[in-house]
Formats: sequence, C-alpha cells, structure tokens
Amino acid sequence: GAVVSQHPSRVICKSGTSVKIECRSLDFQATTMFWYRQFPKQSLMLMATSNEGSKATYEQGVEKDKFLINHASLTLSTLTVTSAHPEDSSFYICSARGRETEQFFGPGTRLTVL
Amino acid sequence: GQNIDQPTEMTATEGAIVQINCTYQTSGFNGLFWYQQHAGEAPTFLSYNVLDGLEEKGRFSSFLSRSKGYSYLLLKELQMKDSASYLCAVLDSNYQLIWGAGTKLIIKP
Repeated sequence: GAVVSQHPSRVICKSGTSVKIECRSLDFQATTMFWYRQFPKQSLMLMATSNEGSKATYEQGVEKDKFLINHASLTLSTLTVTSAHPEDSSFYICSARGRETEQFFGPGTRLTVL
Repeated sequence: GQNIDQPTEMTATEGAIVQINCTYQTSGFNGLFWYQQHAGEAPTFLSYNVLDGLEEKGRFSSFLSRSKGYSYLLLKELQMKDSASYLCAVLDSNYQLIWGAGTKLIIKP
C-alpha cells in the first residue's frame, strides 16, 4: 500500500506555544487529506478534510482558528495547533487519499501539552 | 443521524476463530472498511467491501450485506499479535469515513 509519513511522531510543549505537524504522502499524490484526533480508548474523531489548494472543511465543534490546516501541495498537509493547552493533548493522525477510495494513515503524532 | 455499532470488547483464545460484527446506518454507502489499530499506533488497513459477499485475505475475511446494513470481520487461527482494536468504518455519500468506536479484541493463550 501507499506510504504516508507524519512528523514529528511525538512532541511535548509548554502551554501557549504552537505546534506544527506535517503529513506527507510519499509515493502518491493525495488529492484529499484528513486530520483526526484520538483520545485514549476512544475512536478516531475527524477534525477536518483538506483538498489541495483550497480551504479545509472543519467538522462541527473544531475551531478553525485554533487548528490551522494548510494543504499546500498534493503531497503535503500541515496541521498547526495554535496556543496549545493541556486539553489539546491527544494523538493526532493524518490520512491521505488519492484517486481510489482507500485512505492511508500516517503513523500519528502524540502531542503532550504541559 | 449516522451510526456505526460494534461490540466494545471481545475475548478469544489463541488458535481459535472470532467474528466481529458491525452494523451501520449512514446517509449513502460507498463501501465499508475494517482497520486494525494496536495501542498507541495509527490504524492499518485490513479490508474494503463495497459489494455483498465475503472477501477472504489470508487469516482475515470480511463479509458485507448492504440490505441488512451489516458486516463482519472474521479472524481465523488467532495469534497473540492479533490483540488490538478493530475499527469498522463506512464511506458515506460524501465519501467521508464514518467510524465505529472500535472493538477491543483480547487474545488469551
């Protein structure tokens, strides 16, 4: 299957700082990328869907000014958690979809905000 | 509303067979996925069904009945490494994945 990378895999930051997470499709062009958040022992929660070159579509309850998404190219999307707080600590996972229907997941980024 | 139901937790014995059920009610249907997720890791793809019937892939098989809004994942010859959460997800009419809460599978020796 296709490969999606995420960087960093783990980040610890102080409250109030901003954190950027990168998601890259390594061997295919991702027309659509998805950002998920997963709290312990819960299912994946879709935060937003982004298409290359257009604004991201955010799910209800997700603050677009807090979670900035940029899908600058067909292989790269970034999620920036601005002014992070302890309640933003979670496992953030991106996935990418090319021309087929399957989504390929990145390995995830564990964010801990102190 | 959209809804995906699957059992919260199941326990099975090493070497045995286990069937994890998933029922769904979604706005439209463009396929059903099963993913495996080990603790602390991202999900990995197991299967995709869009037509009725059984798809077999090694020790894992997935079944779909669109008229019943029902799918199951069948795991044979269980191994300890199969202990994980199994997520059922449906692609709705907007090609958006609707996720179940996952079934935690515990394998005992």
